[in-house]
Amino acid sequence: AQSVTQLDSQVPVFEEAPVELRCNYSSSVSVYLFWYVQYPNQGLQLLLKYLSGSTLVKGINGFEAEFNKSQTSFHLRKPSVHISDTAEYFCAVSEGDSWGKFQFGAGTQVVVTP
Amino acid sequence: NAGVMQNPRHLVRRRGQEARLRCSPMKGHSHVYWYRQLPEEGLKFMVYLQKENIIDESGMPKERFSAEFPKEGPSILRIQQVVRGDSAAYFCASSPPGQGLELFFGEGSRLTVL
Repeated sequence: AQSVTQLDSQVPVFEEAPVELRCNYSSSVSVYLFWYVQYPNQGLQLLLKYLSGSTLVKGINGFEAEFNKSQTSFHLRKPSVHISDTAEYFCAVSEGDSWGKFQFGAGTQVVVTP
Repeated sequence: NAGVMQNPRHLVRRRGQEARLRCSPMKGHSHVYWYRQLPEEGLKFMVYLQKENIIDESGMPKERFSAEFPKEGPSILRIQQVVRGDSAAYFCASSPPGQGLELFFGEGSRLTVL
């Protein structure tokens, strides 16, 4: 069975500084990987996804993530954050045969301050 | 093209009452998924439906919870005899036919049980 671990529950960061959110997963089969963002009292918005191909994935709002199969990680990065990036970020994993059945991490709250 | 529509956005029920949450998928989408988000936790898969069929209900509690997606009308998640532990945000997502890796989420229905 798959599981997803987001190692940091909260990440404070100054505006224009870089940020990295860590995500590790465990699975015995091939997986698809996702990062979602959730603004207060809103639904989840897809930031980026890894299905196959290049291990470096670029998403919206300047975010990117790198799939590392040997370390079973899919860390999210942004070189320079804005105040508007304050939100909760969720890493999610889907196993190949689990249609729409995503396993989500517990989330990382990013708080950007001036 | 309207996104996934959920209503009500907020619902308050007393213990023992019934809660009905509705979800209209995006136009052209035939797969619907329900997820539950408890406070301070990530989303947990509950059920996957197609029109008139429950495909995977492995995440549904065994009692009091049911879901349907009729031929006409929205998908409905029904919780009978609610208890305080049912207080959560319930998110619906949809995906196009033949595609279970591109989930579009609604803004959620927040249930509070008094």
